[in-house]
Amino acid sequence: QKEVEQDPGPLSVPEGAIVSLNCTYSNSAFQYFMWYRQYSRKGPELLMYTYSSGNKEDGRFTAQVDKSSKYISLFIRDSQPSDSATYLCAMSDRRRTYKYIFGTGTRLKVLA
Amino acid sequence: GAGVSQSPSNKVTEKGKDVELRCDPISGHTALYWYRQSLGQGLEFLIYFQGNSAPDKSGLPSDRFSAERTGGSVSTLTIQRTQQEDSAVYLCASSLRQESRPLAKNIQYFGAGTRLSVL
Repeated sequence: QKEVEQDPGPLSVPEGAIVSLNCTYSNSAFQYFMWYRQYSRKGPELLMYTYSSGNKEDGRFTAQVDKSSKYISLFIRDSQPSDSATYLCAMSDRRRTYKYIFGTGTRLKVLA
Repeated sequence: GAGVSQSPSNKVTEKGKDVELRCDPISGHTALYWYRQSLGQGLEFLIYFQGNSAPDKSGLPSDRFSAERTGGSVSTLTIQRTQQEDSAVYLCASSLRQESRPLAKNIQYFGAGTRLSVL
């Protein structure tokens, strides 16, 4: 079993929809959680990062962490065709903050 | 530079040849990382540099893989005697530093990667 599980998709939604992307993890030592967006043939681009449980909002994006359930989510409001990309969750623990463990990514398509 | 720069962007080589992949981190970033992204797989950690030292190279898949960093800046990932299973995108990232807090200084920023194809 992988340390971080992520549904690969693809997930197709109409423009303007609210998108929910999720990751589950097995290592209770994970304390730092990141979401990256990766366009085809590009490097991952940081969207959100958080340390604690709860919600963090930035524009159309909200990151949610539930440590008790070992579950994190990224919500995208008013989705746009330009949001079509692969979304990667990443996490690390306090002892090795540098060693990001990534999910396999969810491919999102926002249809105009 | 403005971002992490990697070269070449694409590399095609024959099985058994050696390859060198280069990474220029963001100016002022002391920490540098290499990851590998294979088809259908998540990013896989390879090695972490703090300055010119590599405190963690546990992710290097075999002794055919090595990396160095000079002047606290540019890093080179070398793969000797390449095999077909080495075909992947090799991504480099850098961060301002590495410490437990504040989190913002640890965040890794990625380059566009080198797409390696071993024939």
